[in-house]
Amino acid sequence: KAGVTQTPRYLIKTRGQQVTLSCSPISGHRSVSWYQQTPGQGLQFLFEYFSETQRNKGNFPGRFSGRQFSNSRSEMNVSTLELGDSALYLCASSLSGSDSSGANVLTFGAGSRLTVL
Amino acid sequence: KQEVTQIPAALSVPEGENLVLNCSFTDSAIYNLQWFRQDPGKGLTSLLLIQSSQREQTSGRLNASLDKSSGRSTLYIAASQPGDSATYLCAVPTSGTYKYIFGTGTRLKVLA
Repeated sequence: KAGVTQTPRYLIKTRGQQVTLSCSPISGHRSVSWYQQTPGQGLQFLFEYFSETQRNKGNFPGRFSGRQFSNSRSEMNVSTLELGDSALYLCASSLSGSDSSGANVLTFGAGSRLTVL
Repeated sequence: KQEVTQIPAALSVPEGENLVLNCSFTDSAIYNLQWFRQDPGKGLTSLLLIQSSQREQTSGRLNASLDKSSGRSTLYIAASQPGDSATYLCAVPTSGTYKYIFGTGTRLKVLA
């Protein structure tokens, strides 16, 4: 069973540019969430999607956006890049996200490492 | 607001030792807690998930416990090996959302 696939794995951009990151979840998983990881702030939640609907959004500026397609694949976009956007962006999939059964394990991809110069 | 704390921040032990990693959370209204490990520059690997109705879960040399009332979870690693060297993170969902809050992790080094 294939895991969560994130592309690209590494990328370098300059300030002011935009970037799009892609995440393919495990087959059958309908929830995809995104996290930003930096040495100073640790792992911070960006957003979560289920059946093409954003159910939750973290405390990030509007430059950060995302979407989910009908096949559950997800993309996130960061516009007008800033130096502080340099980070490891992690995508996680699960069957249905958090729910009252508490049984949904988050499975993470290897991440996309973004460097902004 | 849910806050998650992990102690210690770093730990160095000789091979073969049994060790305990701690995770504390402020809002006990959780329905699960997950433990992950992260190798340098890599993504997170799920280790154990404990549902709120459970008190512990075991996988091989790993045992995780959960005490919701006191807002604590522990990850016990038996007979540590150099391959266990990694950062260990715990995460809890925020009540009423699909957002997980992560601790800052415990960086473990097992010396051969």
